Amino acid sequence: EVVLTQSPGTLSVSPGERASLSCRASESVRSNYLAWYQQKPGQAPRLLIYSASRRPTGIPERFSGSGSGADFTLTISRLEPEDFAVYFCQQYGTSPFSFGRGTKVDIK
Amino acid sequence: QVQLRESGPGLVKPSETLSLTCTVSGGSVSSFYWNWIRQSPGKGLEWIGYIFYSGGTDYNPSLKGRVTISRDTSKNQVYLKLASVTAADTAVYYCARSVDVVPAPGYWGQGTLVTVSS
Repeated sequence: EVVLTQSPGTLSVSPGERASLSCRASESVRSNYLAWYQQKPGQAPRLLIYSASRRPTGIPERFSGSGSGADFTLTISRLEPEDFAVYFCQQYGTSPFSFGRGTKVDIK
Repeated sequence: QVQLRESGPGLVKPSETLSLTCTVSGGSVSSFYWNWIRQSPGKGLEWIGYIFYSGGTDYNPSLKGRVTISRDTSKNQVYLKLASVTAADTAVYYCARSVDVVPAPGYWGQGTLVTVSS
């Protein structure tokens, strides 16, 4: 199974600042099939990025994904109050699909 | 806009079979990938498996052959069965459709909590 390691575990950021979240895989992710999700308490995860850098319709441009191979990054360019949440990465290039343990972004 | 809703018993006894239904509106279960994913405090998010457009399936081997995912295209529903459950199967279970032709879960149901307890 591809193991995904997210860092940091918690990121304290002020509104308006930039946040960079890391996701590293134990092996290269096939076809860069890497997704990022946002989750708030009591809600289902929300897809932000798929295929490493593609943004679904309706996701704000301040969310961007980059990286390839085994090293990926989610960047939030300017944090809005509603962006404070937990973020997960997931690889869906090799079965079984796997998730990282998450990065919590909280208010500094 | 596709909408998914999970339903089923909230309490299942150990050694019994957990059965959940995902009812879909605004889209056909004959297209895309339909995933089941669960989340528990101890294990985080865990992919259970999927059924895709041709009816083929793929499962997480960590569930040791206990899982079956199926669909009824006439009812536009997807099903999850997990046999021989233990307390470790207690989790919120989500149904999720792929966002595109790749399996990345993009549309999620609200989830349903299943507790395994006698």
